[in-house]
Amino acid sequence: NAGVTQTPKFQVLKTGQSMTLQCAQDMNHEYMSWYRQDPGMGLRLIHYSVGAGITDQGEVPNGYNVSRSTTEDFPLRLLSAAPSQTSVYFCASRGTGTGYRNEKLFFGSGTQLSVL
Amino acid sequence: GDSVTQMEGPVTLSEEAFLTINCTYTATGYPSLFWYVQYPGEGLQLLLKATKADDKGSNKGFEATYRKETTSFHLEKGSVQVSDSAVYFCALLYGNNRLAFGKGNQVVVIP
Repeated sequence: NAGVTQTPKFQVLKTGQSMTLQCAQDMNHEYMSWYRQDPGMGLRLIHYSVGAGITDQGEVPNGYNVSRSTTEDFPLRLLSAAPSQTSVYFCASRGTGTGYRNEKLFFGSGTQLSVL
Repeated sequence: GDSVTQMEGPVTLSEEAFLTINCTYTATGYPSLFWYVQYPGEGLQLLLKATKADDKGSNKGFEATYRKETTSFHLEKGSVQVSDSAVYFCALLYGNNRLAFGKGNQVVVIP
């Protein structure tokens, strides 16, 4: 029962490099999302998806792209990394049934990204 | 927009002390409210939730009551343990699909 799996756990990039943070869940959840966590800022929503082929922007989408080709996977792409993107990134998922207001988010263990 | 506000600063207290972490919210309509906990090096985990006014969420000795009249959802525990040391986040579900988090409070329990 893996839950939400994120890779890598740590990554160091140089300014301008690109990379993809991977997120996979095995709970058949329709809803998936990406957050970034910064000191004193809490968690801020980057992008989310309510199902395969459907994505939408959160609070801080600039500099990030997402796609959702399968229910299981929701990768986050940084096309040209900037120091301001140094953060801890969390992927989270939940169901979207009729009880969605009760549904808890399941979080991955996070990716710590440093952009030099 | 819809948001939650948590009290500023870390909380340090002795084992068996009473813990309160304040959370107030701003929202249109009737949001669902949550407390999440983050242990060192881990992702967040749901601690408790409430989906309508006067609901009380409870788990692991923690409680929070959804107070519409004061737009609050304060977290309380009567007797904390060292193992309760973590970061606690208040959160609000709005627009069906967006969960807004507060800035979090670091709780340190000293033996």
